[in-house]
Amino acid sequence: EPEVTQTPSHQVTQMGQEVILRCVPISNHLYFYWYRQILGQKVEFLVSFYNNEISEKSEIFDDQFSVERPDGSNFTLKIRSTKLEDSAMYFCASSTGTGHTEAFFGQGTRLTVV
Amino acid sequence: GENVEQHPSTLSVQEGDSAVIKCTYSDSASNYFPWYKQELGKRPQLIIDIRSNVGEKKDQRIAVTLNKTAKHFSLHITETQPEDSAVYFCVTGGNTDKLIFGTGTRLQVFP
Repeated sequence: EPEVTQTPSHQVTQMGQEVILRCVPISNHLYFYWYRQILGQKVEFLVSFYNNEISEKSEIFDDQFSVERPDGSNFTLKIRSTKLEDSAMYFCASSTGTGHTEAFFGQGTRLTVV
Repeated sequence: GENVEQHPSTLSVQEGDSAVIKCTYSDSASNYFPWYKQELGKRPQLIIDIRSNVGEKKDQRIAVTLNKTAKHFSLHITETQPEDSAVYFCVTGGNTDKLIFGTGTRLQVFP
């Protein structure tokens, strides 16, 4: 069964450093998402991406964040200058449609900012 | 803003008993109501979903009900098994791209 894959599984970074989280969505999916989950809390929407541009973003997704689809398979989330409060599990997801179609989640990247 | 309230936050049941998780939402434009199960340290996975034109849906031991007027929806698990132990999230989707997650219910099923 096709899966969304994310790398790395765990990333530790110093405060102020840039990080790039990588995702390979399911190949025939058109919509891509990043969500985050602070330890013990709910999953929060960050951004959605369709047709090579951001289609929606949350208040969390400020100027420190950016997303890119550099080629036909990868989808990346960049945090320019990490803060302690960016520590969380980051999930990539993809779907064939928007709104009310199933979103398939990757296994997540645990980001720890020290 | 959009909000999804979920109760209870923790639920412990004996194997074989039923479990019920309830959610309320605020955005009247919501028309898609999936439920995700997240086992410890793993990804959220869809277990069942319901759309706004349906009041109830069942899949083996799992059923969901939706009351759009009251903005309530709930998950019912019958004949619970230890492998049902996980965190369950109610979620809403609508005419935008994003899914709004509830606060989660940690279900523990004791043998």
